[in-house]
Amino acid sequence: QLQLQGSGPGLVKPSETLSLTCTVSGGSITSSGYYWGWIRQPPGKGLEWIGNIYYTGSTYYNPSLKSRLTISVDTSKNQFSLKLSSVTAADTALYYCARTMGSGSLFVYWGQGTLVTVSS
Amino acid sequence: AIQMTQSPSSLSASVGDRVTITCRASQGIRNDLGWYQQKPGKAPKLLIYAASSLQSGVPSRFSGSGSGTDFTLTISSLQPEDFATYYCQQDYNYPFTFGQGTKLEIK
Repeated sequence: QLQLQGSGPGLVKPSETLSLTCTVSGGSITSSGYYWGWIRQPPGKGLEWIGNIYYTGSTYYNPSLKSRLTISVDTSKNQFSLKLSSVTAADTALYYCARTMGSGSLFVYWGQGTLVTVSS
Repeated sequence: AIQMTQSPSSLSASVGDRVTITCRASQGIRNDLGWYQQKPGKAPKLLIYAASSLQSGVPSRFSGSGSGTDFTLTISSLQPEDFATYYCQQDYNYPFTFGQGTKLEIK
């Protein structure tokens, strides 16, 4: 059974860079046809798609975050990562990593979520 | 970006009721739409893909329909475990977008 485990600091200071890693187990991140993504959810609010990456390194970013966002993949560690720079309180959210279906880009497998608070 | 608008935002219903949630896209998205269920403190769970296909393991009381811009999620007979928040998501094109959510509460 595929499992995703997000990890990273739970507290980030304003203007600094938020960094999260998602470790995949029970399957290979290089499996063909699947995209790996990040989705966030501010406390008490809805879901926002952040971006996707394919194991080859191809990335697709939300334009609203693109200027601050980097998503990367490390196939040797079966991990993918998120970096969001110049954070503000508006970036406080539960950050989920997830994997898409084989066809289309809906998310079938989700991590447990990592709460990141931006505060000094 | 394609805007997804769900209605209602919240809904009170009783066990055994039939419930319908609507999702409207700001432009045509063929049938590139999914529905998720999210319970408090949990990650979303995919229920429906391609607008009307039931994800493996999801009870048959859940069904989806629609194409183009208008979509519905129907729960034929509400069970206690169905009280949750439901989201639609389009995967027609980037950036993928979600509806704002529909909170289904016990009457």
